[in-house]
Amino acid sequence: GQNIDQPTEMTATEGAIVQINCTYQTSGFNGLFWYQQHAGEAPTFLSYNVLDGLEEKGRFSSFLSRSKGYSYLLLKELQMKDSASYLCAVMDSNYQLIWGAGTKLIIKP
Amino acid sequence: NAGVTQTPKFRVLKTGQSMTLQCAQDMNHNSMYWYRQDPGMGLRLIHYSVGEGTTAKGEVPDGYNVSRLKKQNFLLGLESAAPSQTSVYFCASSYSLAGGNEQFFGPGTRLTVL
Repeated sequence: GQNIDQPTEMTATEGAIVQINCTYQTSGFNGLFWYQQHAGEAPTFLSYNVLDGLEEKGRFSSFLSRSKGYSYLLLKELQMKDSASYLCAVMDSNYQLIWGAGTKLIIKP
Repeated sequence: NAGVTQTPKFRVLKTGQSMTLQCAQDMNHNSMYWYRQDPGMGLRLIHYSVGEGTTAKGEVPDGYNVSRLKKQNFLLGLESAAPSQTSVYFCASSYSLAGGNEQFFGPGTRLTVL
């Protein structure tokens, strides 16, 4: 079966750095996406990785290791507005997105 | 640009009633999707479409039907609602199915079936 695992909840302090991990087992691989979802709102796109390595975009970076079936999202200089759920999704061999349950990130002052 | 819009935003149905959820996008995207989101679970794909007049089943299609008569619209129908269909429904669109094309999501429809 296909499976995406990520921690259910994490807590971090404003101004700090947090790393959210995602491991996956899917039928094929056509890229990995990270989305942010604030409570009661729609998911919004953060990043896309298809090759191994680190992609940096402002305060957010995403890393991929295809051989390990592993990705992480790194958030730097945390702000209160970063309190949200972070969703990991893998595009499988049929070009369908398989979604993790999301990691709820709580930022404390 | 409105992006992806969905109607209604909230709806309460009784078991056995039918309804249609509407989705529209103004980005000229070829692919459109319907997902459901339940607590503690990832988004699950119900049906999707890669172009006008074409639809395909996703992971959880039972109890739902869809139609894509116009490129900008994608309708999700529930013929006989069941309590198990209580969920938040998201419509999304992307330029195409493949590659790194991000999916843009609508605001969601919160459906309760009593």
